[in-house]
Amino acid sequence: SQQGEEDPQALSIQEGENATMNCSYKTSINNLQWYRQNSGRGLVHLILIRSNEREKHSGRLRVTLDTSKKSSSLLITASRAADTASYFCAGAGGGNKLTFGTGTQLKVEL
Amino acid sequence: DAGVIQSPRHEVTEMGQEVTLRCKPISGHNSLFWYRQTMMRGLELLIYFNNNVPIDDSGMPEDRFSAKMPNASFSTLKIQPSEPRDSAVYFCASSSGGSNNEQFFGPGTRLTVL
Repeated sequence: SQQGEEDPQALSIQEGENATMNCSYKTSINNLQWYRQNSGRGLVHLILIRSNEREKHSGRLRVTLDTSKKSSSLLITASRAADTASYFCAGAGGGNKLTFGTGTQLKVEL
Repeated sequence: DAGVIQSPRHEVTEMGQEVTLRCKPISGHNSLFWYRQTMMRGLELLIYFNNNVPIDDSGMPEDRFSAKMPNASFSTLKIQPSEPRDSAVYFCASSSGGSNNEQFFGPGTRLTVL
């Protein structure tokens, strides 16, 4: 079963706009990761935020983590058509196991 | 590095047949994961190995599914007998473990059971 739930399930924006996706999870985590999946491809790791971190940046990506609310958000700034993909959060508990959310389908239109 | 390698990329078979999916993890990675992805159920972890030993197989749906990792560079996922509801994309991923347990995914095997 999926631990995480992404919100919204689908998002359509214009190129240049910012895209925000949210993720909620149920159990304690050591870190939370975000992945991207292009249609027909495997998932690709984007960014990792540890449980003792509140915010992290990587290029056009900004991730926040609120462990008290068991939630995370991924912000993509100045979106491009190439950002069109599905985005998944994944919580890492004990060991190396990740539990993936249900994903947000992002469409960036020209 | 070639990344995680999976074969075949596509498999079409008839109900009742045996299906074997193969995975070669990234060299040096000590954890290997098998996932199944469908529209209805999303991405599900089936089983994972640490140092070739199965750690958690609670996601394996039925006894028809089995997975092995005979050495650090090879793993198989077998379905016998296959059923139409097994149709899905099966992903293999590997990671080096440790505090940054980022997973690297293969391209997946798209399985269609008729």
